[in-house]
Amino acid sequence: QVQLVQSGAEVKKSGSSVKVSCKVSGGTFSSYTLSWVRQAPGQGLEWMGRIIPIFNTTDYAQNFRGRVTITADKSTSTVYMELTTLRSEDTAFYYCAREGVEGFDYWGQGTLVTVSS
Amino acid sequence: DIVMTQSPLSLPVPPGEPASISCRSSQSLQHRNGYNYLSWYLQKPGQSPQVLIYLGSNRASGVPDRFSGSGSGTDFTLKISRVEAEDVGVYYCLQTLQTPRTFGQGTKLEIK
Repeated sequence: QVQLVQSGAEVKKSGSSVKVSCKVSGGTFSSYTLSWVRQAPGQGLEWMGRIIPIFNTTDYAQNFRGRVTITADKSTSTVYMELTTLRSEDTAFYYCAREGVEGFDYWGQGTLVTVSS
Repeated sequence: DIVMTQSPLSLPVPPGEPASISCRSSQSLQHRNGYNYLSWYLQKPGQSPQVLIYLGSNRASGVPDRFSGSGSGTDFTLKISRVEAEDVGVYYCLQTLQTPRTFGQGTKLEIK
């Protein structure tokens, strides 16, 4: 049984950075494709990027390129998403999700990041 | 980028009645292997999204058989044969043929 457990809520100042973690249990971590998805309050889902740990390759959405970095620690089966130069519009829930043959089949519980001025 | 367009955006449905959501993509989602890389998700209030349908028409594990997906190429449909109270939430389609992955805007289903 695959589980994705994310780190807790964060409150950050504008201009600072945040790093959210997603610990994966069950299955073979390195072979997974793991994505990050953002959801602003009352809004839809927005794909930010992904990592494939076995190849250590990443892809990022254009909207976030240059501000987001996704990394993986194979020793702890944990994926990280760091977002820099935070602004108020970055206030949102951030989800990690595993992408498999059956789509995004496992999701983390979400991490609320609040950016205040 | 592939643009995903859902309709309607709001869907009030009496319990026991059918419901249908359309998802159109700006490019074909059919891979050369014949599969359509389109999946459907339900996000219930206060929860993470959950997959309902993958590869266009395959029900995910544990999903009730009142949910079905159809379509190919650029036109896809999610159908609920008889809406129940637990089906309330926002439904999203997602393409995983290309990066960046892209979601539809979401369709909010409510019980009338």
